Amino acid sequence: GAGVSQSPSNKVTEKGKDVELRCDPISGHTALYWYRQSLGQGLEFLIYFQGNSAPDKSGLPSDRFSAERTGGSVSTLTIQRTQQEDSAVYLCASSLFQSSYEQYFGPGTRLTVT
Amino acid sequence: AQSVTQPDIHITVSEGASLELRCNYSYGATPYLFWYVQSPGQGLQLLLKYFSGDTLVQGIKGFEAEFKRSQSSFNLRKPSVHWSDAAEYFCAGNTGTASKLTFGTGTRLQVTL
Repeated sequence: GAGVSQSPSNKVTEKGKDVELRCDPISGHTALYWYRQSLGQGLEFLIYFQGNSAPDKSGLPSDRFSAERTGGSVSTLTIQRTQQEDSAVYLCASSLFQSSYEQYFGPGTRLTVT
Repeated sequence: AQSVTQPDIHITVSEGASLELRCNYSYGATPYLFWYVQSPGQGLQLLLKYFSGDTLVQGIKGFEAEFKRSQSSFNLRKPSVHWSDAAEYFCAGNTGTASKLTFGTGTRLQVTL
């Protein structure tokens, strides 16, 4: 079946602009995660959605970062007033339900802030 | 704090040779452990996972890993490496109270012909 999809695959933006990154999880997966992969920080957790529960935002690096998940499916990660240090690959993952712990990753969105 | 450590940043092996990638964890309780592989420009693909039970787990692409509680390790092995195995490998863990994955820094595998 279809895996996790992310769009765009690449995004170049100017410093100070806002960007939106989209994630379509595997159909039926109730848990959705965002991670960031950068040279200096490796792979780090950003935010986690599970069903209708309040999201775990503990990994968001600043209040410029936010995410929402509409209808329990598609998620959008928004970065406001982008900075050069936001340049990274943003990975989305989903899992069938929380207790499965097995996460399936999308191909990522490479964000470059100039 | 929970952590996963991969001591080797870069490993080079010859095609056909055996491979072992090291992973150590630090958790209050036994974590759930995973190995992922990332090819250039690609996302992460799950190779195998350990939840409980048999400490030797088999994965895809001929990989296996052994959970050793006494050494806090979860090393990845393959008896004979193929050139297509060249990629970056990540060890990761999580627990029952926090599904977010904590990743190691990764080991880049180079395969020489």
